[in-house]
Amino acid sequence: AQSVTQLDSHVSVSEGTPVLLRCNYSSSYSPSLFWYVQHPNKGLQLLLKYTSAATLVKGINGFEAEFKKSETSFHLTKPSAHMSDAAEYFCVVSAQGLTGGGNKLTFGTGTQLKVEL
Amino acid sequence: GAGVSQSPRYKVTKRGQDVTLRCDPISSHATLYWYQQALGQGPEFLTYFNYEAQPDKSGLPSDRFSAERPEGSISTLTIQRTEQRDSAMYRCASSFSVHNEQFFGPGTRLTVL
Repeated sequence: AQSVTQLDSHVSVSEGTPVLLRCNYSSSYSPSLFWYVQHPNKGLQLLLKYTSAATLVKGINGFEAEFKKSETSFHLTKPSAHMSDAAEYFCVVSAQGLTGGGNKLTFGTGTQLKVEL
Repeated sequence: GAGVSQSPRYKVTKRGQDVTLRCDPISSHATLYWYQQALGQGPEFLTYFNYEAQPDKSGLPSDRFSAERPEGSISTLTIQRTEQRDSAMYRCASSFSVHNEQFFGPGTRLTVL
């Protein structure tokens, strides 16, 4: 079985300060991990993905995440928050190849990021 | 099409009624997924299609839920005899193949009164 735990349901930062959204995963094999973002009234958008290549993954809009196997973590960071970053963020693990050949995604419960002036 | 579209965007129904939700994937995408997202939760996998085949239905909560993709493009998700606990956002995603990124539609918000 596989799962992800997002440690904070809400995070609030000031514009221009760093962002840290925490995620821990559980998996019995080498996982594929993702971060998705959901803006209000829009679909989910892929920010970045880790698929066993480089452990530091760079995504869109200045976000990056580091895969740490020893800590079973995949935290999302950004050096400087912008007002447009306010959204809900989901940490996701993939079961590709294990369930009938599909790429079933398992989502965390989400972290709502608020960016204040 | 330019992106994944879903209709209707909002659906309100009474308990016991049947509802059908539609997903129009990106053209040329072979794989299509359905997810259910309850309020305050992340999306949960329901089922997926590879063309018209449906290899995995393991996430469907009960036999009241069914999905089709008869021609390998548009898909429908039908919920029979709806219950209040079926109220959720239903999200569709498509990908070029099972190995590629999933692109999500805007979702259908279902409310069962």
